[in-house]
Amino acid sequence: DTGVSQDPRHKITKRGQNVTFRCDPISEHNRLYWYRQTLGQGPEFLTYFQNEAQLEKSRLLSDRFSAERPKGSFSTLEIQRTEQGDSAMYLCASSLGSTNEKLFFGSGTQLSVL
Amino acid sequence: DQQVKQNSPSLSVQEGRISILNCDYTNSMFDYFLWYKKYPAEGPTFLISISSIKDKNEDGRFTVFLNKSAKHLSLHIVPSQPGDSAVYFCAAIYSYQKVTFGTGTKLQVIP
Repeated sequence: DTGVSQDPRHKITKRGQNVTFRCDPISEHNRLYWYRQTLGQGPEFLTYFQNEAQLEKSRLLSDRFSAERPKGSFSTLEIQRTEQGDSAMYLCASSLGSTNEKLFFGSGTQLSVL
Repeated sequence: DQQVKQNSPSLSVQEGRISILNCDYTNSMFDYFLWYKKYPAEGPTFLISISSIKDKNEDGRFTVFLNKSAKHLSLHIVPSQPGDSAVYFCAAIYSYQKVTFGTGTKLQVIP
């Protein structure tokens, strides 16, 4: 399978716990994005990487969120001290980093914070 | 600030007729526009794109029109099929930077 894969598909956690999600992009893609989507809204940008460099981080992303992409391959998104407002679908996408930026999305990780 | 807006949250169309989905944007620096389609429990998938230097791009049943002076684009699906029922997101990008998405329009094609 050469698509973008995300793990886990679903995560239920209690408020205050830490969670970590993983994304494996398409192997030849040098860009990797994280988006968050809630019901009735479009994907909301969180952060993106060009190879291992984190190029931009949304102002909406609090200090509780951190993302890494060591060696420019897979990426992890960690949320510390989760809050109920963090409940959402977390989407990862990868691309070749071209002008028309066709993103290939994974199926997402659905986070529920109780 | 919502730079890409889709003001119609939903649209219902009879099978075989034309579906028109609309999108407005505020940032005149955007140089590419894209449409994505999303089924439940799946990530969005790319549908069609258009450069800001063009006013039309066509791919099979899908055509995207761009009106730069009005900062408006639209996606036409002709003829509409039940399998087209999904949420459609308009998106935009400028200068190799991040892709910004609209809030989506849920299309229902009635058999």
